[in-house]
Amino acid sequence: DGGITQSPKYLFRKEGQNVTLSCEQNLNHDAMYWYRQDPGQGLRLIYYSQIVNDFQKGDIAEGYSVSREKKESFPLTVTSAQKNPTAFYLCASRAGIIYAQYFGPGTRLTVL
Amino acid sequence: QKEVEQDPGPLSVPEGAIVSLNCTYSNSAFQYFMWYRQYSRKGPELLMYTYSSGNKEDGRFTAQVDKSSKYISLFIRDSQPSDSATYLCAMSAGNQFYFGTGTSLTVIP
Repeated sequence: DGGITQSPKYLFRKEGQNVTLSCEQNLNHDAMYWYRQDPGQGLRLIYYSQIVNDFQKGDIAEGYSVSREKKESFPLTVTSAQKNPTAFYLCASRAGIIYAQYFGPGTRLTVL
Repeated sequence: QKEVEQDPGPLSVPEGAIVSLNCTYSNSAFQYFMWYRQYSRKGPELLMYTYSSGNKEDGRFTAQVDKSSKYISLFIRDSQPSDSATYLCAMSAGNQFYFGTGTSLTVIP
């Protein structure tokens, strides 16, 4: 089955720790995205990547980092510099500029 | 002013009703319009995808785009309890997408 997988489903982090969220897709999509979803605020773009080894900051990139070493993978690291990281994180991919995005199941991150 | 405005609801309807969900937007460059359904604690699922103005129908769902009014709608016919979810509108003009905050819908059996 083709799709987008995110792991883990739930993640707990202590303050001061970095954590990495995994996103993998086997749809052969070029573009991949990371969003953060908070209640009442909709989806906010963190980073996106159109091709391997290239990515751009979104609206709320501070405190986050990404890499795109393979077409299939776009991991997101939430660093200790992110002051309020508790949220639902969504990864998405897109085949090309005229196509819609498809989302993964999400990772819920909680800071203890 | 937000790029995309969506009434958050909540909206509650009886089973079998016709549901109308709407979004307005400010950027006339938007060309691609989408509706997603999101169940609690799940990722959004693409329901409808349209390009430019006009209507598109898929089963019980109809998406409508009026670019002159900067207004898009999603109609759900014969609504079912399984349609209870949050519905997100989204639009794009290039590499980035802009989302509404979502409308929470409950269909009562």
